[in-house]
Amino acid sequence: NAGVTQTPKFRVLKTGQSMTLLCAQDMNHEYMYWYRQDPGMGLRLIHYSVGEGTTAKGEVPDGYNVSRLKKQNFLLGLESAAPSQTSVYFCASSNDGNQPQHFGDGTRLSIL
Amino acid sequence: ILNVEQSPQSLHVQEGDSTNFTCSFPSSNFYALHWYRWETAKSPEALFVMTLNGDEKKKGRISATLNTKEGYSYLYIKGSQPEDSATYLCAFKQSSNTGKLIFGQGTTLQVKP
Repeated sequence: NAGVTQTPKFRVLKTGQSMTLLCAQDMNHEYMYWYRQDPGMGLRLIHYSVGEGTTAKGEVPDGYNVSRLKKQNFLLGLESAAPSQTSVYFCASSNDGNQPQHFGDGTRLSIL
Repeated sequence: ILNVEQSPQSLHVQEGDSTNFTCSFPSSNFYALHWYRWETAKSPEALFVMTLNGDEKKKGRISATLNTKEGYSYLYIKGSQPEDSATYLCAFKQSSNTGKLIFGQGTTLQVKP
């Protein structure tokens, strides 16, 4: 049982490049979330989804887009990467909005 | 803007010491308070989800209490062991079905053998 899997684990981008981070969960969870974690700050919610085909903005959505075309996958896109988006990105999922969240191992993204 | 604060930011204790730390959150529109344990190079793992004022939860040597009226939760570790070294995160959930959590910055615990 893999749980929540994030791809890739590390990536270095140049300013202006685009990329997509993939999150996959095999627990049949309805809810999925993307967070970023920066030094001295807690996990901050970027976008989330309460079910297949739905997405909503979190605390810090600017510069990111997401899609949830399949229940098990939640994609986070950076259309034009900026140095301020250098961070560690965590995906999480939960059975519903009241259950604890299960986290992936994170993606470390550096933008030069 | 909702604020969740944890104190202290970091803590160093000797093996065998008992310790506790605090999570403060808004007392209005409370729905749930989550505690997560985050070991270095791993992902956060859920410890407790607490919903009722006066709730007490326990998992081995770790326990937590909740006061929703004054907006705080305590996490206690009895007889700390080196394997307890981790960052402990709390997260506040307002009344909603979205699952949105507001995380504190965490308390990093280092237990010296």
